[in-house]
Amino acid sequence: GNSVTQMEGPVTLSEEAFLTINCTYTATGYPSLFWYVQYPGEGLQLLLKATKADDKGSNKGFEATYRKETTSFHLEKGSVQVSDSAVYFCALSEDTGRRALTFGSGTRLQVQP
Amino acid sequence: DGGITQSPKYLFRKEGQNVTLSCEQNLNHDAMYWYRQDPGQGLRLIYYSQIVNDFQKGDIAEGYSVSREKKESFPLTVTSAQKNPTAFYLCASSIGTGNSPLHFGNGTRLTVT
Repeated sequence: GNSVTQMEGPVTLSEEAFLTINCTYTATGYPSLFWYVQYPGEGLQLLLKATKADDKGSNKGFEATYRKETTSFHLEKGSVQVSDSAVYFCALSEDTGRRALTFGSGTRLQVQP
Repeated sequence: DGGITQSPKYLFRKEGQNVTLSCEQNLNHDAMYWYRQDPGQGLRLIYYSQIVNDFQKGDIAEGYSVSREKKESFPLTVTSAQKNPTAFYLCASSIGTGNSPLHFGNGTRLTVT
């Protein structure tokens, strides 16, 4: 079946540091890939997505590239801010059938001033 | 503004009681989903519905029930048969095609004692 594996957190960085959160996946077919962000006590918000191999999703300074050869979708940001502190979830969508999302376990990011 | 409304934000129940969580959307989305979030485990799919009057079990449906009598509404009942009901419950909706992202509500935190 489908699965998503994320690096364990928490990831603690100083403001303006470079961020990488690793995500790898296992899937049949040709899934779309997503990054969601969750702030404390809230639901998930879509951060970015990529629908096919070599696509790059980007939003608010965050980027991720769909790498089919390594089955990865790592999240990066060049300079993090305190306001980026949240939990980040990698997810894949099933291109047939129920079309639900399969999520990774989430990575908590803490950015210190 | 369009969105998904979950109510209440916090819910407390005694063991042995059924409880119903509300989810309403005004995005005109066909598909709706219920996920459960536990610390360190990411999100797991409970039930989903791709069209009115139809719904399917997800990965952890035991002890839960749903209905989809209206396009806008997808209530979840946590029954007394659910062994570990204390969790954060998230409702989501989407257009329903393969690449469409999920839009999430702000969740309901259920505590059963």
